[in-house]
Amino acid sequence: AQKVTQAQTEISVVEKEDVTLDCVYETRDTTYYLFWYKQPPSGELVFLIRRNSFDEQNEISGRYSWNFQKSTSSFNFTITASQVVDSAVYFCALSEYGNKLVFGAGTILRVKS
Amino acid sequence: NAGVTQTPKFQVLKTGQSMTLQCAQDMNHEYMSWYRQDPGMGLRLIHYSVGAGITDQGEVPNGYNVSRSTTEDFPLRLLSAAPSQTSVYFCASSYSQGLNEQFFGPGTRLTVL
Repeated sequence: AQKVTQAQTEISVVEKEDVTLDCVYETRDTTYYLFWYKQPPSGELVFLIRRNSFDEQNEISGRYSWNFQKSTSSFNFTITASQVVDSAVYFCALSEYGNKLVFGAGTILRVKS
Repeated sequence: NAGVTQTPKFQVLKTGQSMTLQCAQDMNHEYMSWYRQDPGMGLRLIHYSVGAGITDQGEVPNGYNVSRSTTEDFPLRLLSAAPSQTSVYFCASSYSQGLNEQFFGPGTRLTVL
């Protein structure tokens, strides 16, 4: 069965620090999709990225970057030069091909000024 | 486009009462789903639908019913509310199950006394 583990319950950093949010997944399928969502204090869920299992290229989008490593079943998310507006709960999620989305428990990120 | 809308935003029920959480989307998405969010547990799938007339159970379906008579609407019914159903409920839609990003509604905060 598919499973997502976000071992970091809460992380606190000072503005401008870099921070990495860990995501480890389990699946028996060879075709699957990984996602990251952000939930700011206002409560809505915002899609950040989708990655399929055949694309191991790392991705960078502004201050955000994602490192996908099939060898360690990890899909980690790094924020460079963090800002107060990055404070949120971040969820990693996994779906096996054509199947339901399973979320990790989430990591609370607090960025202090 | 309004995206995914949910009503009400807040609701307080007494144990044993029933109610319906409304969800609608205007993106012509086939796939719709309901999640509940509880502290430390991420989002857990309650029920989902892959198209009008088709629904299925997710991870935590007990105490909830759904129906999908149109592509746009996917209401969630609480049959006899219990304190354990106190949670934040999110409705989501996407083009397909598990392959594409899901668009989430703003959520409904439900308290059962």
